[in-house]
This record gives sequence, structure tokens and C-alpha cells, in this order.
Amino acid sequence: AQSVTQLDSHVSVSEGTPVLLRCNYSSSYSPSLFWYVQHPNKGLQLLLKYTSAATLVKGINGFEAEFKKSETSFHLTKPSAHMSDAAEYFCVVRGNTDKLIFGTGTRLQVFP
Amino acid sequence: GAVVSQHPSWVICKSGTSVKIECRSLDFQATTMFWYRQFPKQSLMLMATSNEGSKATYEQGVEKDKFLINHASLTLSTLTVTSAHPEDSSFYICRMTDLYTEAFFGQGTRLTVV
Repeated sequence: AQSVTQLDSHVSVSEGTPVLLRCNYSSSYSPSLFWYVQHPNKGLQLLLKYTSAATLVKGINGFEAEFKKSETSFHLTKPSAHMSDAAEYFCVVRGNTDKLIFGTGTRLQVFP
Repeated sequence: GAVVSQHPSWVICKSGTSVKIECRSLDFQATTMFWYRQFPKQSLMLMATSNEGSKATYEQGVEKDKFLINHASLTLSTLTVTSAHPEDSSFYICRMTDLYTEAFFGQGTRLTVV
């Protein structure tokens, strides 16, 4: 079975400083992993995805994530936070039959 | 890119009434539809999966008679919350895929039952 664990429910950073949102996964086979962002009362937007190609995945808005099989991790990073990055972020693994399994989410706060 | 249109974006209804939420794929044919529910400050939980022309498959703990899913065509799926109660108040979001493109989410519907 597949699962994801987001290690932090809340992360606070100052504008202009790096962002790190942590995610560990569990999968019995090579997984497909995603990061989605959700702004308040809005739908979900795909930030990036890993599907067994390059281990360093670049996404939109300056975000990137590195797939590390040895650590079963897929952490999301951004070199410099912007106020507009404040949102809820979900790490997601795709299970069989195309089901998406969501982590519990990490709320990112960005202070000026 | 592919777009999924979900509406209404928000709805308030009286307890005991039914509410229909609609999702349309605007530029692709969605062979599979997923419906998720998100309670405040929680993650998304899959409610059911449906393939066009087939009955929906519900996740454990989701009442199929309460949450009616219709996937009548390749571009339209509906979720009807029947006899809604305050505990059904939640954010409902659809996801559509055609197996060839990355799946896309609707904008979500915030349901408040009073």
C-alpha cells in the first residue's frame, strides 16, 4: 500500500528566506509523487510531479522537489519565499487504479 | 491546458434538502472521475471513483445512498448530497482524468448545511 507523511503541519518563514516542506512516502513499487498547493477556499493546483524520470523535479513558481529513494523522501523547497506562497501544501502519492493519496497537509505562513 | 469546471463554488442549504454538484471537463473526455471531501483544516479524503457508464465505487465509510454519483457522459459527472445534514458541511472537489493526460481538479464546492 502507498502512503505519504508530511512531517510538519505548520511552517513559518520570513519573506525572502528558503522554504522546506518535508514529505516521506511509503510505496511497494516505484511511486508517482506530486505536490499540490491550495490557497484558501480554492481548488488544488499542481506544483510539480515525479514519475521516475529525473530525481530533481522543477515546478511552477520557483518550487522544486528531490526524490530520494534511499530516504523515501520527496521534500519541497524554494530558495526564497514570497508572500503569495502562503497556502496549504499537500504531498501526494498515486496508488494503483490512479487513486491519489493525500498527506495531511502543511500550512505555510510567510511573514514580511 | 485541460480545464475542469465545477459548480457551484459555494452553496448553503437547509438541513434535509439535497444538493447537486456538477463537474465538467471542458476540453477532454474524462473516463475516470474521483470525488474528494475535505473537512476544515484536514486533508482531502477520497469518497468515490467512477468510470463513465459504470456505477461508482465508494470508499469505506462513505454512504452510497447519501452521496449519489452520476457519470453519465465523458464530460460530465455529478455528486448529489441527499438529505443533507450539518455534518455534511465540507469542501467537495472533483478530479477528472482520461488516462492520457494528467488529472485535473475542479475548483471545489463549499457546502454549508444549516
